[in-house]
Amino acid sequence: EAQVTQNPRYLITVTGKKLTVTCSQNMNHEYMSWYRQDPGLGLRQIYYSMNVEVTDKGDVPEGYKVSRKEKRNFPLILESPSPNQTSLYFCASSLTPTSGHEQFFGPGTRLTVL
Amino acid sequence: AQSVTQPDIHITVSEGASLELRCNYSYGATPYLFWYVQSPGQGLQLLLKYFSGDTLVQGIKGFEAEFKRSQSSFNLRKPSVHWSDAAEYFCAVAPSGGSYIPTFGRGTSLIVHP
Repeated sequence: EAQVTQNPRYLITVTGKKLTVTCSQNMNHEYMSWYRQDPGLGLRQIYYSMNVEVTDKGDVPEGYKVSRKEKRNFPLILESPSPNQTSLYFCASSLTPTSGHEQFFGPGTRLTVL
Repeated sequence: AQSVTQPDIHITVSEGASLELRCNYSYGATPYLFWYVQSPGQGLQLLLKYFSGDTLVQGIKGFEAEFKRSQSSFNLRKPSVHWSDAAEYFCAVAPSGGSYIPTFGRGTSLIVHP
């Protein structure tokens, strides 16, 4: 089944404890991205990747890192999480980085930073 | 840069009633336009998209949307709402051609009364 998977689905952590949220897609998509969703703010893009080893900042990159060593995986890294990073996170992928292609979304990761 | 406005944070309708969700965009040329739905606890799913051609676009689950260039709008409609349509709806705009940097609206929460 074609899908985007994220792990974990739920995570509660404490300030400063490094964490990684994994994202994997099995559709051989070139384009992948991370969003955070907050009430009243909709989806805001954190980082995106046009292809392997090509990543760039979105609208709200501060406090996050990403890597794209393999085409299928695009992990989101929080080196020192803070409470303002408590949010619902979505990974998405698209066939190519051109505007006409639909994005496929993962089920989301709900992160709470205490 | 493009932007999207969804003026209604919440919409409440009765089951069986018609529905229209508003979306206005700002972009220098004709953009690519999308509507996504987010059911509770789920990721986003594409309902429909507009690239060019016929301004009335049919999507999944009985939804349609009409692109009106003169009004910079792309409103989502459904003639008869079902209880299972209760969800969060997002309008998105991406530049036509070029690389895929979409912008999402803040979302409209649809509440369906029995």
